[in-house]
Amino acid sequence: DAGVIQSPRHEVTEMGQEVTLRCKPISGHDYLFWYRQTMMRGLELLIYFNNNVPIDDSGMPEDRFSAKMPNASFSTLKIQPSEPRDSAVYFCASSFSGGVSGYEQYFGPGTRLTVT
Amino acid sequence: AQSVTQPDIHITVSEGASLELRCNYSYGATPYLFWYVQSPGQGLQLLLKYFSGDTLVQGIKGFEAEFKRSQSSFNLRKPSVHWSDAAEYFCAVGAPGGSYIPTFGRGTSLIVHP
Repeated sequence: DAGVIQSPRHEVTEMGQEVTLRCKPISGHDYLFWYRQTMMRGLELLIYFNNNVPIDDSGMPEDRFSAKMPNASFSTLKIQPSEPRDSAVYFCASSFSGGVSGYEQYFGPGTRLTVT
Repeated sequence: AQSVTQPDIHITVSEGASLELRCNYSYGATPYLFWYVQSPGQGLQLLLKYFSGDTLVQGIKGFEAEFKRSQSSFNLRKPSVHWSDAAEYFCAVGAPGGSYIPTFGRGTSLIVHP
């Protein structure tokens, strides 16, 4: 398997622009997670899905952030409008809920977002 | 709810020296425990995991960790560090029977001197 795929790997945009980050989880995995990593706050869970349904979005910082999972092989995280403080590395991770292995998360390489 | 603490933000070791990274957790019962490694510019990769049984677990890349219930700890060790081990290391804890959502520590940055 190719692992979790994220695109783009790097994104530079201007404040106020819309940003869309994309994720393809590992085939067969039924959980998908979006994280944000910054030096100040470390690794933060933004939202997670189970079987394409959003379960907990309490980590989404503001209404400017939204996430969707239209099918089992694709998810997006959108920021509109973007602000400089959104600059971070955004990770997508997936897992399979087969017993204890559901706790083992597989991470993508991340998208480094810079908002100027 | 569970929590995890990694007391050391940075650790510097010489190549060939032994390594121990500390992890302490807070949870009312025996949790599931994990160590992940993040190399520069990469995502997190699972190094090893503890669910039950033998408290000394072996992982990839020559790492091991020991679960000590009495100390609420799950420290990561390696007998001889290689320069390629320089990375960020994250400890994580999960609640059995919970929602498959592990709680991650803030990470420890490992610097390896030649």
